[in-house]
Amino acid sequence: GQQLNQSPQSMFIQEGEDVSMNCTSSSIFNTWLWYKQDPGEGPVLLIALYKAGELTSNGRLTAQFGITRKDSFLNISASIPSDVGIYFCAGPKVNSGNTPLVFGKGTRLSVIA
Amino acid sequence: SAVISQKPSRDICQRGTSLTIQCQVDSQVTMMFWYRQQPGQSLTLIATANQGSEATYESGFVIDKFPISRPNLTFSTLTVSNMSPEDSSIYLCSVVQGASGYTFGSGTRLTVV
Repeated sequence: GQQLNQSPQSMFIQEGEDVSMNCTSSSIFNTWLWYKQDPGEGPVLLIALYKAGELTSNGRLTAQFGITRKDSFLNISASIPSDVGIYFCAGPKVNSGNTPLVFGKGTRLSVIA
Repeated sequence: SAVISQKPSRDICQRGTSLTIQCQVDSQVTMMFWYRQQPGQSLTLIATANQGSEATYESGFVIDKFPISRPNLTFSTLTVSNMSPEDSSIYLCSVVQGASGYTFGSGTRLTVV
């Protein structure tokens, strides 16, 4: 089945720094999703990518769908304390229809003020 | 996108007992998904719940341990049966609605003592 390799596992950064995390897969995805999870909450969608090569921004967040369809990255610019949380990449388990998601292992982000 | 109300938000249960988690969606959806998130881990799919048919379980999850009901297109329950401390996790429901994408409940944080 589809598997996602997400890195880094954790990051400690200073407030104001930029952050980059990525996901790779051995198989092709038609959709890449990036979620953020705050403590005690469910994941919240940050950015959805639907086409190879697509570059999408959401405020200080930018994500790209790799040309090979086997990778994606998420960048956060000028980090702030509320960026703290766990970031997950995800994609549909099967590349057609309404299927459940498979998730990367997550990147735990800590921001030092 | 759909709005999901998940209950309870958290519970502390005695080993050997069972807990039923409910998810109510504000619109009709064909499929609902149940995930488990063990401490410090990513989300793992337990099963897919379709209305009018038995749930489809992923490898490592069985109906006797995690019975699921799906009585209509807006509601589902997941029961964690005969609980042990290893069942302590966050349990999340999720739905997908075409272009609206995937939505998650806020999760149920279960602690088994």
